[in-house]
Amino acid sequence: DAKTTQPPSMDCAEGRAANLPCNHSTISGNEYVYWYRQIHSQGPQYIIHGLKNNETNEMASLIITEDRKSSTLILPHATLRDTAVYYCIPAISYDKVIFGPGTSLSVIP
Amino acid sequence: GAGVSQSPRYKVAKRGQDVALRCDPISGHVSLFWYQQALGQGPEFLTYFQNEAQLDKSGLPSDRFFAERPEGSVSTLKIQRTQQEDSAVYLCASSSPLGQLKNTEAFFGQGTRLTVV
Repeated sequence: DAKTTQPPSMDCAEGRAANLPCNHSTISGNEYVYWYRQIHSQGPQYIIHGLKNNETNEMASLIITEDRKSSTLILPHATLRDTAVYYCIPAISYDKVIFGPGTSLSVIP
Repeated sequence: GAGVSQSPRYKVAKRGQDVALRCDPISGHVSLFWYQQALGQGPEFLTYFQNEAQLDKSGLPSDRFFAERPEGSVSTLKIQRTQQEDSAVYLCASSSPLGQLKNTEAFFGQGTRLTVV
């Protein structure tokens, strides 16, 4: 399983874009990059995933570098409800996902 | 309901007591996972089922932990002779609508918070 490095915590002003980085330099060619978040006292929630190309959905955008060794999750207009722990998870398929410590994002009013 | 349902939401057990935690996955989901989350930590993988088959139980911390999914839908995580270090939130997730095993997202329940006193 690929190992990931994420900053332990980040702040973002409400209404601004939140850019959450993740290093996954040992990712294998067939591993997707998944992002989940966990709001306090809730179960983790899927955000987005990608393999090589950048991806966008209604929640966020995912930018993956060409060498696939790192990625950035972008929340374009952060709200207070986006305060959560964000997990970057390389995985071949969802058969055994390993959560790291993640990044605790605080959105500031 | 449309989501993964876990019960009970909260459980207080005396040390040495046996507990059973239930997970109702999303209907039709083939894969089911159990995680343990200690306070301030990320979820730790415990075990994985594909239908009724337990394909991976490498994360179960001891032989006091046992999980089953006899009919390939509802799953139960049982902890025998609970210890204080078992206190955690136990999360269940399901994924993979039938016929689509890879490249899918997982849906998590709210978890069961177990406190052993």
